[in-house]
Amino acid sequence: GENVEQHPSTLSVQEGDSAVIKCTYSDSASNYFPWYKQELGKRPQLIIDIRSNVGEKKDQRIAVTLNKTAKHFSLHITETQPEDSAVYFCAGGGESGGGADGLTFGKGTHLIIQP
Amino acid sequence: DAGITQSPRHKVTETGTPVTLRCHQTENHRYMYWYRQDPGHGLRLIHYSYGVKDTDKGEVSDGYSVSRSKTEDFLLTLESATSSQTSVYFCAISEWAGGHQETQYFGPGTRLLVL
Repeated sequence: GENVEQHPSTLSVQEGDSAVIKCTYSDSASNYFPWYKQELGKRPQLIIDIRSNVGEKKDQRIAVTLNKTAKHFSLHITETQPEDSAVYFCAGGGESGGGADGLTFGKGTHLIIQP
Repeated sequence: DAGITQSPRHKVTETGTPVTLRCHQTENHRYMYWYRQDPGHGLRLIHYSYGVKDTDKGEVSDGYSVSRSKTEDFLLTLESATSSQTSVYFCAISEWAGGHQETQYFGPGTRLLVL
């Protein structure tokens, strides 16, 4: 099955600086890679996702890049703000037999924005 | 937030007792998932469903069973709860269209404590 590794486990950056979180995956059949943000005591919320036919996707201050050959993808947050402080999860998944069989998540990165 | 509710939101139970958690959706999505979230492990897939009466096992299915008799409801049962099943349980839903898995949206979660 799929295995997703996420680094770092904790990331502290100064407000206004950029943050980068990296993930690798093992299953070359995976073709869907979402990123979730989870605040303390809340549910995971999708912030951006990318499919394997695309190399990069941006949404305002957030971008995700995908390297299919190397099997890794990264989340980039620019101009970080205090409200970006949260735990971020990457995930990988795909379809088997024509269905959607769930996502495999990384273990999360605790992003701390220092004022 | 997508129309997903979970019940109960919190539960304390004793080792050896059966427990059933309910996930209810109003989105008429085909796919439903149960994940558990534990510190240091991220989110792990327990079981998923790809239609009424159609379910399959995930990464950590031992000790759990599921049922889906209606599109809107997906039940997770711990036949005989153990302390290792103390966790936060999240339900998620998604659709699959155009050859792609669509976004997975998460419910608010259920905190289960097994004493």
